[in-house]
Amino acid sequence: AQSVAQPEDQVNVAEGNPLTVKCTYSVSGNPYLFWYVQYPNRGLQFLLKYITGDNLVKGSYGFEAEFNKSQTSFHLKKPSALVSDSALYFCAVRGDTGGFKTIFGAGTRLFVKA
Amino acid sequence: SAVISQKPSRDICQRGTSLTIQCQVDSQVTMMFWYRQQPGQSLTLIATANQGSEATYESGFVIDKFPISRPNLTFSTLTVSNMSPEDSSIYLCSARERNEKLFFGSGTQLSVL
Repeated sequence: AQSVAQPEDQVNVAEGNPLTVKCTYSVSGNPYLFWYVQYPNRGLQFLLKYITGDNLVKGSYGFEAEFNKSQTSFHLKKPSALVSDSALYFCAVRGDTGGFKTIFGAGTRLFVKA
Repeated sequence: SAVISQKPSRDICQRGTSLTIQCQVDSQVTMMFWYRQQPGQSLTLIATANQGSEATYESGFVIDKFPISRPNLTFSTLTVSNMSPEDSSIYLCSARERNEKLFFGSGTQLSVL
């Protein structure tokens, strides 16, 4: 069975500081990993993905994520946070064997303070 | 990215009635998914809907309660049947692009009285 853990319900960071939102996963086979963001009263938006290749992937709005196979982690990062980054962030995973479903983590609420 | 039009955006329904949610995609997609989300919480997968075959339901969800149709590669419906207050939630449809990205409809906020 596949699963995703986001250990932090909330992350607080000051504007201009780097941010990290943590994610670990469990999946059969090779993982397909994703980050999505949900702004208040808006739908989910894709940020970035890792399927294969470089462990550091870059995505929208200056976000990046690092795939670590040994630690089964896929942490989301940004070098300098903006107040407008405040939102709900979801890590998601699917395996490359068996079903094709994508499973989402519990979500981490990011607050960026001016 | 492709766009999904989902409707209704919200509804308030009486206990025991049914509501059908529609999703129209502006391009052909093989796989569509239906999720449920409590406000501010995670997404729970209800079922996977593929064109030409019966939907595949996740544990805890059954076809009699959540019948799904997928008549073609651009359209799907989810019906919430015999509703109870516990069905109050946000329902989201999504589709997978060839580059593996999921894109989502804007959601249906359902309240059952």
